[in-house]
Amino acid sequence: DTAVSQTPKYLVTQMGNDKSIKCEQNLGHDTMYWYKQDSKKFLKIMFSYNNKELIINETVPNRFSPKSPDKAHLNLHINSLELGDSAVYFCASSQGLTQDTQYFGPGTRLTVL
Amino acid sequence: GDSVTQMEGPVTLSEEAFLTINCTYTATGYPSLFWYVQYPGEGLQLLLKATKADDKGSNKGFEATYRKETTSFHLEKGSVQVSDSAVYFCALSTPNTGNQFYFGTGTSLTVIP
Repeated sequence: DTAVSQTPKYLVTQMGNDKSIKCEQNLGHDTMYWYKQDSKKFLKIMFSYNNKELIINETVPNRFSPKSPDKAHLNLHINSLELGDSAVYFCASSQGLTQDTQYFGPGTRLTVL
Repeated sequence: GDSVTQMEGPVTLSEEAFLTINCTYTATGYPSLFWYVQYPGEGLQLLLKATKADDKGSNKGFEATYRKETTSFHLEKGSVQVSDSAVYFCALSTPNTGNQFYFGTGTSLTVIP
């Protein structure tokens, strides 16, 4: 009965490859997010979607592309991976867009070699 | 812009000691304030929240009071346990920002027996 799930949990890949991380929530929420957590634990919002519509699109390289096939899923595709993309990526969801609690997934640790 | 400033760690306490982790914020409008906890290798979990001035959030022995006059939301616990060892994040969300969360840098707490 996992609320927000991500796959894979670990991802090790070579520079230049393309990879995807998947996220699913079974909370019935309308809004989903992607965050990047760096090695110092700093969390930065990357994107958010509400009912499949892009709401927040922070300054991230356009190698990162989110895709929301339905409101329960928000996937993150990364092209041409670079060393600096190594981080933990967290998916989250919330009911709405008004100061609602965000519920986080377990994270995907991406290591680019 | 909106931001959260959090006490730098790491913090090391003996079991049953009193804990305070300071958090101050800068925000336009009336933010909601949150404390999240991240245990090793896991995602963030909501610890407590407060949505208006003078509200006190509490959970698992932790408390924080929303102080508008000092723009603070300090986290406290009277007697910490080894199981409280984790990274603690203060966060805010302001109206009309698409529920964008601004997180502090995190404070690592280690409780020793």
